[in-house]
Amino acid sequence: SQKIEQNSEALNIQEGKTATLTCNYTNYSPAYLQWYRQDPGRGPVFLLLIRENEKEKRKERLKVTFDTTLKQSLFHITASQPADSATYLCALRGATNKLIFGTGTLLAVQP
Amino acid sequence: SAVISQKPSRDICQRGTSLTIQCQVDSQVTMMFWYRQQPGQSLTLIATANQGSEATYESGFVIDKFPISRPNLTFSTLTVSNMSPEDSSIYLCSVEGGGYSYNEQFFGPGTRLTVL
Repeated sequence: SQKIEQNSEALNIQEGKTATLTCNYTNYSPAYLQWYRQDPGRGPVFLLLIRENEKEKRKERLKVTFDTTLKQSLFHITASQPADSATYLCALRGATNKLIFGTGTLLAVQP
Repeated sequence: SAVISQKPSRDICQRGTSLTIQCQVDSQVTMMFWYRQQPGQSLTLIATANQGSEATYESGFVIDKFPISRPNLTFSTLTVSNMSPEDSSIYLCSVEGGGYSYNEQFFGPGTRLTVL
């Protein structure tokens, strides 16, 4: 069956460090993969998109990698800040053209 | 980015009743979707709201339980019918396309539903 898995445990890091979140998928051949941020009581907010023919994408302090052989995406936040604390969701757009979300990883950046 | 509002923002309902949730977008969009997010869980797609025709439901969701309307390109409603405590969840509207990129979905703030 198709699965999208993210670190189920919360990730706690110190301010200024790089946070790395993982998204693994099985039985998908996604055209692209997206990362969203969700704060408590709010809807997800789009952050980055990376296509299947791209290895890496950057936006300010954010970096996403996409390895279609490993079926994995890594999401990095450099120089992390307490304001980066949130749940981060990866999402895939597969053959059905619908967006399917992973379980999300809660990131807590300690000052 | 699209500005999306949902009404109500939250509600507490009795078992067996129905609740209609409204989603309004500030400009015309091509696609509108309804998701459910249960406590501590990720988002599950309920259906795609089609303008002028019946919604397209995902596996496990049926029209009798979750009737959806989309009378125009900026508005949709989701009704949760004959509610039970298992329907307690956050319901989210999202949009795509129109004047916005097809590669990015915008989400409303959600409606937090509690069924007693």
